[in-house]
Amino acid sequence: NAGVMQNPRHLVRRRGQEARLRCSPMKGHSHVYWYRQLPEEGLKFMVYLQKENIIDESGMPKERFSAEFPKEGPSILRIQQVVRGDSAAYFCASSPLTSGIEGQYFGPGTRLTVT
Amino acid sequence: AQTVTQSQPEMSVQEAETVTLSCTYDTSENNYYLFWYKQPPSRQMILVIRQEAYKQQNATENRFSVNFQKAAKSFSLKISDSQLGDTAMYFCAFIETSGSRLTFGEGTQLTVNP
Repeated sequence: NAGVMQNPRHLVRRRGQEARLRCSPMKGHSHVYWYRQLPEEGLKFMVYLQKENIIDESGMPKERFSAEFPKEGPSILRIQQVVRGDSAAYFCASSPLTSGIEGQYFGPGTRLTVT
Repeated sequence: AQTVTQSQPEMSVQEAETVTLSCTYDTSENNYYLFWYKQPPSRQMILVIRQEAYKQQNATENRFSVNFQKAAKSFSLKISDSQLGDTAMYFCAFIETSGSRLTFGEGTQLTVNP
């Protein structure tokens, strides 16, 4: 049973470019969560999605960031006009149940570097 | 708002010995879940152990066990017979039963020495 897949693993973007991060949840999981980890810090919640719905985006910056989880295909975290402060590891997690109380299972992360 | 505090930024232990990592949290909720995640140098986040707040019995997974003290809002992780592969950053995390977001502590870097 494949785990949570994220790609790319490493992404380098120049300031002002767009970054697209992809996440495929574990088989049978329909709930996806995105977290950001800044250097030397813990993970911070960004957004929680189900298929075609954003359930909780209270941790998402108001500008430049968006997320989607279409009916078909992976979840996408999109960062427009990236700045150096966006450099971080972005983790996707999935769960089989609402709220993830059984545990959220994480992908390997995408390390974004903005030059 | 919930907060999770890990007061030990770094710890070290000799191989085969036992080590305990501390975690405290703050919440007004009565029903919630607590987790320990491990992040080795590969940066992959791995679920180590899970505790349900309404259960008094401490969770155990092989060499990993917790000491859950609900009244004190304390949730420590004990690793027995430490192995070199246990070297990693360990994060304590909290989730409300009615919530969806995990709240993480800042992590404890554990180094197992040969």
